[in-house]
Amino acid sequence: NAGVTQTPKFQVLKTGQSMTLQCAQDMNHNSMYWYRQDPGMGLRLIYYSASEGTTDKGEVPNGYNVSRLNKREFSLRLESAAPSQTSVYFCASSVRADTQYFGPGTRLTVL
Amino acid sequence: QKEVEQDPGPLSVPEGAIVSLNCTYSNSAFQYFMWYRQYSRKGPELLMYTYSSGNKEDGRFTAQVDKSSKYISLFIRDSQPSDSATYLCAMGGGSNYKLTFGKGTLLTVNP
Repeated sequence: NAGVTQTPKFQVLKTGQSMTLQCAQDMNHNSMYWYRQDPGMGLRLIYYSASEGTTDKGEVPNGYNVSRLNKREFSLRLESAAPSQTSVYFCASSVRADTQYFGPGTRLTVL
Repeated sequence: QKEVEQDPGPLSVPEGAIVSLNCTYSNSAFQYFMWYRQYSRKGPELLMYTYSSGNKEDGRFTAQVDKSSKYISLFIRDSQPSDSATYLCAMGGGSNYKLTFGKGTLLTVNP
């Protein structure tokens, strides 16, 4: 089992560029999440998908869109990247709402 | 008042010491409590979780929850240099699928 995988591991963008972060899990989990982690701010929820076919906003959704492609995959899209979106992005999944399992993260820099 | 408060440290201890990490919370609706360990430049790793007040032990780790005081702790016995990491508390409850994370405590165990 690979658990939760994320691609890419690193990315550098220029302001205004777009990109999609990919996440996949092989644990047959119902729920998936996208977080960002910034120094001094902790983990903040961007979007989540409680089950296939549903998505909901988290704490900091502005500037992001998500797609729950199927039960395994949950992508995060930045349509027009801004320097404020420089962060480490983590995807997570869970069977229920409680025990979430995280991927290795994507380090994004927006210049 | 923030929902979850966690002392960011840093905390530095000698090898073999007993480590105590703590979080306080304000939301009485929280029903389940977790501790995650995050090594530098890695994703958070689920360490322990519990639903009830009292103690839960797993090897050198003990999670303690006091719902009446809204206080949770993680104790590490016989700490090792490999325990050096950031420890995040997390909690949630009810029908929503969100976890609320503390900002993490950076622990260094010196050989």
